Amino acid sequence: GAVVSQHPSWVICKSGTSVKIECRSLDFQATTMFWYRQFPKQSLMLMATSNEGSKATYEQGVEKDKFLINHASLTLSTLTVTSAHPEDSSFYICSARVSVEQFFGPGTRLTVL
Amino acid sequence: GQNIDQPTEMTATEGAIVQINCTYQTSGFNGLFWYQQHAGEAPTFLSYNVLDGLEEKGRFSSFLSRSKGYSYLLLKELQMKDSASYLCAVRDTPRGSTLGRLYFGRGTQLTVWP
Repeated sequence: GAVVSQHPSWVICKSGTSVKIECRSLDFQATTMFWYRQFPKQSLMLMATSNEGSKATYEQGVEKDKFLINHASLTLSTLTVTSAHPEDSSFYICSARVSVEQFFGPGTRLTVL
Repeated sequence: GQNIDQPTEMTATEGAIVQINCTYQTSGFNGLFWYQQHAGEAPTFLSYNVLDGLEEKGRFSSFLSRSKGYSYLLLKELQMKDSASYLCAVRDTPRGSTLGRLYFGRGTQLTVWP
């Protein structure tokens, strides 16, 4: 299957700082990528749809100014958590669709102190 | 809105068969997926149903009834390594150039005992 990578795999930051997470499609081009967030023992919550060359589409309740998404190329989407706070600590997972299937990156564990 | 419901936890013994149910009410429907997720890892694809009926894939089978908004994942010949969370997900209908989005249930934590 298609491979999606994420970097970093984990990050610890201080409250108030910004963190950038990269998502790459390694062996295919992804016009659209999806960003999810997962809290402990909860399911994946869709945050936004990242579209190459255009603005991201955010789900209801997700602050677009706090979670900045940039999809600069067909193989790279980035999520920047701005002014991070402890409540933003979570597992962030990106995903890309190839035909019918949707493949997920390995996730990024963010801990905000 | 999207409402996807599945049991929180299930247990079974090695070699047994387990059925994990999922019911859904979504604003659009363009396929139902089952994923397996081990703790701290990303979900991995198990099955996809878009038409009514049963899809079989080795030890795993998935069933869909669109009229009832119901699906199940059937796991046969359970192994210890099958202990994981099983996520039911529904894709909504595409709008314009936007691909259908995948929405997940809360997941069913399956524990397989020896």
